[in-house]
Amino acid sequence: AQSVAQPEDQVNVAEGNPLTVKCTYSVSGNPYLFWYVQYPNRGLQFLLKYITGDNLVKGSYGFEAEFNKSQTSFHLKKPSALVSDSALYFCAVTLGTSGTYKYIFGTGTRLKVLA
Amino acid sequence: DADVTQTPRNRITKTGKRIMLECSQTKGHDRMYWYRQDPGLGLRLIYYSFDVKDINKGEISDGYSVSRQAQAKFSLSLESAIPNQTALYFCATSDSGQGDYNEQFFGPGTRLTVL
Repeated sequence: AQSVAQPEDQVNVAEGNPLTVKCTYSVSGNPYLFWYVQYPNRGLQFLLKYITGDNLVKGSYGFEAEFNKSQTSFHLKKPSALVSDSALYFCAVTLGTSGTYKYIFGTGTRLKVLA
Repeated sequence: DADVTQTPRNRITKTGKRIMLECSQTKGHDRMYWYRQDPGLGLRLIYYSFDVKDINKGEISDGYSVSRQAQAKFSLSLESAIPNQTALYFCATSDSGQGDYNEQFFGPGTRLTVL
């Protein structure tokens, strides 16, 4: 079965430190991977995506993610965390196949950046 | 995202009542989606529509129905609401230009409580 896992419900990091939010996937075929962020009382906002090509993808607000096919991972990273980065982060995957549409979200990881 | 609006933003109703949640978008996207968000479960797809004449069931369509009135409007109905449909509901849109690997744009959500 196709799935996306975010193994950490919450990640705490001090302001200025690097942050990593983990995502692993299990799909057949070539995945298209996404990261979204949700601030309180808001809908999800797109951060970045991997379709093909360079395994390191850069996105909004200084975030980046690295696609690792052998480890089936797509971890979200930022070199220096800000308090304003505190939010709920979702990883998602779609197979991009015609016919049956699959867009699967992980359960979310709450990031808390401590001042 | 102001380009995708949802009404109402909050609704409290009773078991057995019919409820309609509405979504409108000004992004000119062909594709629209309805999700529900539950704590610890992430987002789950209820229905999706790739154009006005195309409606498809998602992962959890039982107890829900939809109507795509126009390219810009996609409504979700709960024919007879039950308490386990209490959740945060999101509408989203995406461009069809690059197929299944376009990012989605989310509305602000509707918080529905069924008593």
